[in-house]
Amino acid sequence: EAGVAQSPRYKIIEKRQSVAFWCNPISGHATLYWYQQILGQGPKLLIQFQNNGVVDDSQLPKDRFSAERLKGVDSTLKIQPAKLEDSAVYLCASSFQFSRTDTQYFGPGTRLTVL
Amino acid sequence: GNSVTQMEGPVTLSEEAFLTINCTYTATGYPSLFWYVQYPGEGLQLLLKATKADDKGSNKGFEATYRKETTSFHLEKGSVQVSDSAVYFCALMSGGSEKLVFGKGMKLTVNP
Repeated sequence: EAGVAQSPRYKIIEKRQSVAFWCNPISGHATLYWYQQILGQGPKLLIQFQNNGVVDDSQLPKDRFSAERLKGVDSTLKIQPAKLEDSAVYLCASSFQFSRTDTQYFGPGTRLTVL
Repeated sequence: GNSVTQMEGPVTLSEEAFLTINCTYTATGYPSLFWYVQYPGEGLQLLLKATKADDKGSNKGFEATYRKETTSFHLEKGSVQVSDSAVYFCALMSGGSEKLVFGKGMKLTVNP
């Protein structure tokens, strides 16, 4: 079974530029998550989708971050404009269903450096 | 709010040493508890989980028991190997939010 795919793996941009990340979850997984992992910290949830609807985006900085999951499959996360403090690894995860007992499977992440 | 506190590293052990990584949590309701591991150059992987009090999760020689009375989920392994070198994250998921809340992670290095 193929895992969660993410691209690109690395991205370096200047502050105030825009950037987009792509995620393709495990086939058949209804729930998709985007996490931000700043160096030395644990991942923090940014947004959670159930199929193509948003379940939780309470920690998404909506003035600069946006995400969509068209057709309930793959997803994109965008930052516009980027700030220095956005330097982090952006992780995508998916799970079969929306349940506290279900396992979340993580992709390899995209490492963003904002200069 | 929900939170996880885990012992901070980094920690260096010799092969075959005993490992304990402490994890305590604060949560509303009855959370599920998880240990995730991140090997060098790889993504986060679920190591083990427990979904109710007194459950014991185990995998690859690692164990953790869900202790509701002490709000703890400490990770243990009797004899670590060089291949266990990684960053270990304790996490919880509380009913109603269904989102993982992670601790800061602890880097473990095992020397031969």
